[in-house]
Amino acid sequence: GENVEQHPSTLSVQEGDSAVIKCTYSDSASNYFPWYKQELGKGPQLIIDIRSNVGEKKDQRIAVTLNKTAKHFSLHITETQPEDSAVYFCAASKGSFQKLVFGTGTRLLVSP
Amino acid sequence: DAGVIQSPRHEVTEMGQEVTLRCKPISGHDYLFWYRQTMMRGLELLIYFNNNVPIDDSGMPEDRFSAKMPNASFSTLKIQPSEPRDSAVYFCASRNTGELFFGEGSRLTVL
Repeated sequence: GENVEQHPSTLSVQEGDSAVIKCTYSDSASNYFPWYKQELGKGPQLIIDIRSNVGEKKDQRIAVTLNKTAKHFSLHITETQPEDSAVYFCAASKGSFQKLVFGTGTRLLVSP
Repeated sequence: DAGVIQSPRHEVTEMGQEVTLRCKPISGHDYLFWYRQTMMRGLELLIYFNNNVPIDDSGMPEDRFSAKMPNASFSTLKIQPSEPRDSAVYFCASRNTGELFFGEGSRLTVL
């Protein structure tokens, strides 16, 4: 089955810096790659997603890139703010996108 | 809509007791998922339903775990008997054709 690896496990940046989180997946048939943000005591919330027919997608300060050949995808956050501090999860699925396999999460800390 | 609603938010019980976690999905969503989150294993899919029918329960760890969805607006995850290693946060999530929405989770502690 699908296996998703995520790095780094923790990431500390200064406010205003950029943050990059990387994931690799094992199943070449995977075609949907969402990113979730989880704040303390809350459930994960979708922040951006990308499908395999697209190489990059942006939404304001957040962007995701996908390299199908290398089977990896990344989350980029620019001009980080303290409210970006949370745990971020990548995920992958194929077919009708029902079975999401999650990475192990990255704890991002943005210091003022 | 109020989102996915889970109860209880916190449950502390003793080993051997039965635990029932409850979920109300977002109205109109025909897929419902149960996930378990632990530090060691991250987010794991336990089971999911489509139109109240269980589709894939391959993630259910063992026979002590069972899940039901008697109607479109309610699902339960039951653990009987509970064990300390079941301690985790259990999330319910629902979707239609788009985004997966998670509830706020039920934190289970088995002593």
